[in-house]
Amino acid sequence: EDQVTQSPEALRLQEGESSSLNCSYTVSGLRGLFWYRQDPGKGPEFLFTLYSAGEEKEKERLKATLTKKESFLHITAPKPEDSATYLCAVQISGSARQLTFGSGTQLTVLP
Amino acid sequence: EAQVTQNPRYLITVTGKKLTVTCSQNMNHEYMSWYRQDPGLGLRQIYYSMNVEVTDKGDVPEGYKVSRKEKRNFPLILESPSPNQTSLYFCASRTTGQREKLFFGSGTQLSVL
Repeated sequence: EDQVTQSPEALRLQEGESSSLNCSYTVSGLRGLFWYRQDPGKGPEFLFTLYSAGEEKEKERLKATLTKKESFLHITAPKPEDSATYLCAVQISGSARQLTFGSGTQLTVLP
Repeated sequence: EAQVTQNPRYLITVTGKKLTVTCSQNMNHEYMSWYRQDPGLGLRQIYYSMNVEVTDKGDVPEGYKVSRKEKRNFPLILESPSPNQTSLYFCASRTTGQREKLFFGSGTQLSVL
């Protein structure tokens, strides 16, 4: 069964304290892995797509990496405005369906 | 402004009373989809549509209906809502050529009493 698991469920950091969020996946064939950010009361907002092991993408304080079994979202020197829930999703090869999402990591960055 | 618009934002109803949640996008996207979000379960796809008059089931379609008569609109219909359909619902759309970049609406919080 295809599965996407995110850890930790919740993470509290002090401003400037770097850390990483994990997304592990068990799928029959990976077509792409996606990271989204979700703020309270809003829909998810697209951040990154990763297609193959070894690939990396960066945007401001965020960096996403991909291996054959998992993806990491590294947050460097976070600020309070980085507080949000971060969602990981995979698209499976040969599937016309959209994305299979993990349950997310709720990040809180304290000033 | 490019956006996906859902209505209503909040809805409280009773078991068995038919309801419709509307979704409209102004980006001329072919693909539209409905998700529900529940604590600890993440986003789960209900139905999706590849284009006008083309719809298919997602992972949790039971108790829901959709229609795609126009490209911009993709309403979600609950013919006989039950309490287990209490959830946060999101509509999303994308172009065919950008499979990763889903645009989401702001959500509809539904409570079925």
